[in-house]
Amino acid sequence: EVQLVESGGGLVQPGGSLRLSCAASGFTVSSSFMSWVRLAPGKGLEWVSMLDSDGRANYADSVRGRFTISRDNSKNVLHLQMNSLRAEDTAIYYCARDQSSSWNDWGQGALVTVSS
Amino acid sequence: DIQMTQSPSSLSASVGDRVTITCRASRIIRSHLNWYQQKPGKAPKLLIYSISNLQSGVPSRFSGSESGTDFTLTISSLQPEDFATYYCQQSYSTPFTFGQGTRLEIK
Repeated sequence: EVQLVESGGGLVQPGGSLRLSCAASGFTVSSSFMSWVRLAPGKGLEWVSMLDSDGRANYADSVRGRFTISRDNSKNVLHLQMNSLRAEDTAIYYCARDQSSSWNDWGQGALVTVSS
Repeated sequence: DIQMTQSPSSLSASVGDRVTITCRASRIIRSHLNWYQQKPGKAPKLLIYSISNLQSGVPSRFSGSESGTDFTLTISSLQPEDFATYYCQQSYSTPFTFGQGTRLEIK
């Protein structure tokens, strides 16, 4: 059974940093295309970043240069390092596995709150 | 970037109604169009992939279709558990973009 479990969310001040983790089971992260998607309060879903099986990363313009996606193959974990956080980054962050250009497997979400 | 314009933004309907949600892509996305359902406090759930393919386990009252750059999600007979927010998404090129969402409410 495929399972994705996010961790690392919390309250951080503007300008601060946070690292989210997504622990996967039932498949191999390094062989998959993996994305982070967020849902801000009162807003719709927004794709944040993707890491493909060759290790290539893509980012939304809103986070490029501040966020870094990576994976730990030995632990089968996906990460999202978030630096220079802003109030508008406040959201629930989900990791998702891309299968044939659609995302059927999602984590439960991690809440990130950026506030002083 | 590819813009996805989804309508309506909200919709009130009754159990048993047939409802249609539309999404228009700003340019060609081939078959890379998916539909998701999200309920409060839950992760999104894949309903339809590649325009019209029903994800395993999703009831057959959900269907998807296309006409050029317009894509449609249809629920043939609303059930109480269908009241949620629905999103289209293009997975043709990054940044992968979602429609603004359609909040389906009980009339």
